[in-house]
Amino acid sequence: KNEVEQSPQNLTAQEGEFITINCSYSVGISALHWLQQHPGGGIVSLFMLSSGKKKHGRLIATINIQEKHSSLHITASHPRDSAVYICAVPYKETSGSRLTFGEGTQLTVNP
Amino acid sequence: DSGVTQTPKHLITATGQRVTLRCSPRSGDLSVYWYQQSLDQGLQFLIQYYNGEERAKGNILERFSAQQFPDLHSELNLSSLELGDSALYFCASSVGTSEQYFGPGTRLTVT
Repeated sequence: KNEVEQSPQNLTAQEGEFITINCSYSVGISALHWLQQHPGGGIVSLFMLSSGKKKHGRLIATINIQEKHSSLHITASHPRDSAVYICAVPYKETSGSRLTFGEGTQLTVNP
Repeated sequence: DSGVTQTPKHLITATGQRVTLRCSPRSGDLSVYWYQQSLDQGLQFLIQYYNGEERAKGNILERFSAQQFPDLHSELNLSSLELGDSALYFCASSVGTSEQYFGPGTRLTVT
């Protein structure tokens, strides 16, 4: 069993729909990362959160540390949101935390 | 633009060869991480350096090595290349345990 599980693996939506991507993890963590990988391959860090909720534009990330679960929501989805969304968790270390990644969720938003 | 640079962007080489991938972290970031993304394995942590010292090792093959120089740039050396080494190689940098910023990646194709 992977330490980080994402669902769904693939998601197709119509423009304007509300999107939810889920992430569950099995290890104790200090924070969780949500990343976006564009079709060209580049990776962008969207959120790093250790509790509660964070919002950036149409993106909202929530985390429940006790339940070891996080969700990424996209409101009013747009075709430009089409990308792979990856959840990642670090290990607690004294000087930086290498990441373990989920398998990613391929999101396609159709116009 | 994350502030992390990687060169080259693309690399095509033959089996048995040796290549060097280069990464310059964001100004002020002491930690550099190397990750490999292959089609069948997803994103995996290879190795981390912190202020010139190796700090953590992941699934890095013995044919691979890395170092971080006094100016904090890092190089990943891949030798005796095999077809299965074809992948995207990312470096990321961070300050301590904070958010990681990813470079654009080097796409390695071994033929």
